[in-house]
Amino acid sequence: GAVVSQHPSWVICKSGTSVKIECRSLDFQATTMFWYRQFPKQSLMLMATSNEGSKATYEQGVEKDKFLINHASLTLSTLTVTSAHPEDSSFYICSARGPGQGAWEQYFGPGTRLTVT
Amino acid sequence: GDSVTQMEGPVTLSEEAFLTINCTYTATGYPSLFWYVQYPGEGLQLLLKATKADDKGSNKGFEATYRKETTSFHLEKGSVQVSDSAVYFCALLNQAGTALIFGKGTTLSVSS
Repeated sequence: GAVVSQHPSWVICKSGTSVKIECRSLDFQATTMFWYRQFPKQSLMLMATSNEGSKATYEQGVEKDKFLINHASLTLSTLTVTSAHPEDSSFYICSARGPGQGAWEQYFGPGTRLTVT
Repeated sequence: GDSVTQMEGPVTLSEEAFLTINCTYTATGYPSLFWYVQYPGEGLQLLLKATKADDKGSNKGFEATYRKETTSFHLEKGSVQVSDSAVYFCALLNQAGTALIFGKGTTLSVSS
């Protein structure tokens, strides 16, 4: 089946620094990638949707200048949390789907836990 | 706006017990409904789906029926196994068909 990986699986950074999370589709071309955020005991909240080669579409309330998303190739998307603060600590999950697939046909990565100290 | 509510966990069961995880939704119209499962250390995987009222989705012994009268999509399994221990998410597809909306997830722990 389709596999999506994320790197790193967990990261600790200091307040004010930036951190990059990678999301890769290993065996299919990901024309669309999704980035989610999950707080403890809360649902996955969609942050943004990106199509390969295009700018990401951010959900209402998500700061696009803080959460930079790049989807420059059909197998890689990155999320950069800029000037991270403790309130950015969360579990970040990416997913991807291939051409012609519906929005529900997403393949999910295992997630990245970010802790900002 | 659209939303999904599922029962709080954790749910702790013995092997071969009957499982029900409740899920209700609020949405415009009749959205497609889904159950996803997340095993430890892995990404979410689609478990089953139903696209219209009265549809029953099933997979790996799990079932859920789309009930528009009660706006529910409860997950059931007649006899759980230790390997079913995971987090289960109920979700719906938004009206535009562009995004999934998830519930908070329910942790299931099955002991032998």
